[in-house]
Amino acid sequence: ELKVEQNPLFLSMQEGKNYTIYCNYSTTSDRLYWYRQDPGKSLESLFVLLSNGAVKQEGRLMASLDTKARLSTLHITAAVHDLSATYFCAVDRNAGGTSYGKLTFGQGTILTVHP
Amino acid sequence: DTEVTQTPKHLVMGMTNKKSLKCEQHMGHRAMYWYKQKAKKPPELMFVYSYEKLSINESVPSRFSPECPNSSLLNLHLHALQPEDSALYLCASSLVGGVPVGYTFGSGTRLTVV
Repeated sequence: ELKVEQNPLFLSMQEGKNYTIYCNYSTTSDRLYWYRQDPGKSLESLFVLLSNGAVKQEGRLMASLDTKARLSTLHITAAVHDLSATYFCAVDRNAGGTSYGKLTFGQGTILTVHP
Repeated sequence: DTEVTQTPKHLVMGMTNKKSLKCEQHMGHRAMYWYKQKAKKPPELMFVYSYEKLSINESVPSRFSPECPNSSLLNLHLHALQPEDSALYLCASSLVGGVPVGYTFGSGTRLTVV
């Protein structure tokens, strides 16, 4: 059974600081997604990582994927209050030969950015 | 159109009621999904439809009945629910034809069972 583990689960940061959220998963996959969720809202897609060594950046967020280590990271640079939200990583398992995926989510990291 | 539209946004129902959740997309995606998200938990997959056929049922109780009447619509029929079924229900869609490379999620239906 695929397990996806994020850490930390809670992250309280000061504005301007840097930090990294880690996402470990237990079985082989080369497709990993990062989502943001604001309270009471749906999931907003942040990054789609499709191969080993993939690195993507958008604003103050940068995500990377190491499929050999089964590890993805979400790095936050110079945090601002607007980044406060819950961040989920999700690993996609495509049942070989099928035409759909199957997302398994990590527990989520609740990020709070303080002035 | 790059959206997945879910209706209603909020639903309160009694344990003896029958109601339906609706999901619609016009992106040509042929895989559609229902996820359930309890408060402060990650989403969990319930059902997957591929080319309008049920491909995955993650051992969901029969009081939840999915339906995919055409390539743009996905319904979730609810009957005799329990209070513990209260949650955010998310619909998603993705491309097919090989590896799905991204999912589009709807805004969700917040369901309260009383």
